[in-house]
Amino acid sequence: EDKVVQSPLSLVVHEGDTVTLNCSYEVTNFRSLLWYKQEKKAPTFLFMLTSSGIEKKSGRLSSILDKKELFSILNITATQTGDSAIYLCAVEDNAGNMLTFGGGTRLMVKP
Amino acid sequence: DAGITQSPRHKVTETGTPVTLRCHQTENHRYMYWYRQDPGHGLRLIHYSYGVKDTDKGEVSDGYSVSRSKTEDFLLTLESATSSQTSVYFCATNNGVGGELFFGEGSRLTVL
Repeated sequence: EDKVVQSPLSLVVHEGDTVTLNCSYEVTNFRSLLWYKQEKKAPTFLFMLTSSGIEKKSGRLSSILDKKELFSILNITATQTGDSAIYLCAVEDNAGNMLTFGGGTRLMVKP
Repeated sequence: DAGITQSPRHKVTETGTPVTLRCHQTENHRYMYWYRQDPGHGLRLIHYSYGVKDTDKGEVSDGYSVSRSKTEDFLLTLESATSSQTSVYFCATNNGVGGELFFGEGSRLTVL
C-alpha cells in the first residue's frame, strides 16, 4: 500500500520567513510526486516532479525530489500572508491512475 | 479551470438516510474520482471511474457506491449515511495523462 507522510503537521511563521515543507513516501512503482496548495476550497496544482535532483521553481516556491531517499521538499521564500494554506503532497504509481495523498501541512503566515 | 461542479455544496442529513452527491464535468476527461477530506488524513480516495460504467474501489470505499452513466457525470451514493461519513467530499478529474488532478469546489456533508 502506498504511503505518504508530511511534516510538520502545522507551522506558524511571520511574513518574510523562509519555510521548508517535507514529504516522504513509500510507493511500489513510483511515477510522479505532486504538490498542491489548498486554501479555502479546492486544492490547486503547484508542481509535478518525476526526476530526482531537478528543481521545479515558480516564483518564490520551489520543490525538489530525491528518489533515492524517497522524499521531496517544498520551499517558500519571503513568505506572504497569501501563502497561508494547507499544502498537500501526493504520489502516483505506475500501477494505476490514482494519487495517494499525505495528511497535509497547514501553514499560517502572520503579518 | 476544468469546469467541475459538485452538488449539493452543503448538506445536513440524519443517520440512516440515503445521500447522493453529484459531480459534473465539461472537459470530457476520461477519469473521475471521489475523495473525502478529514482533518489529519489529507485526501482519501473513495472510488474512481476510468470510463462510462467502469468504476473501481479506492482506499475507503466501504459504505459508498458510485455510478457513471455518462462521461460528464459521476455520482457518489451513501446508501445509509452514518456519522463517520461526515466529511468534505471532493470530486476530481483528469485525462489519465500525467498525475495532475482538477478538483471541484467540494461538498460538505454533515450526518447527525
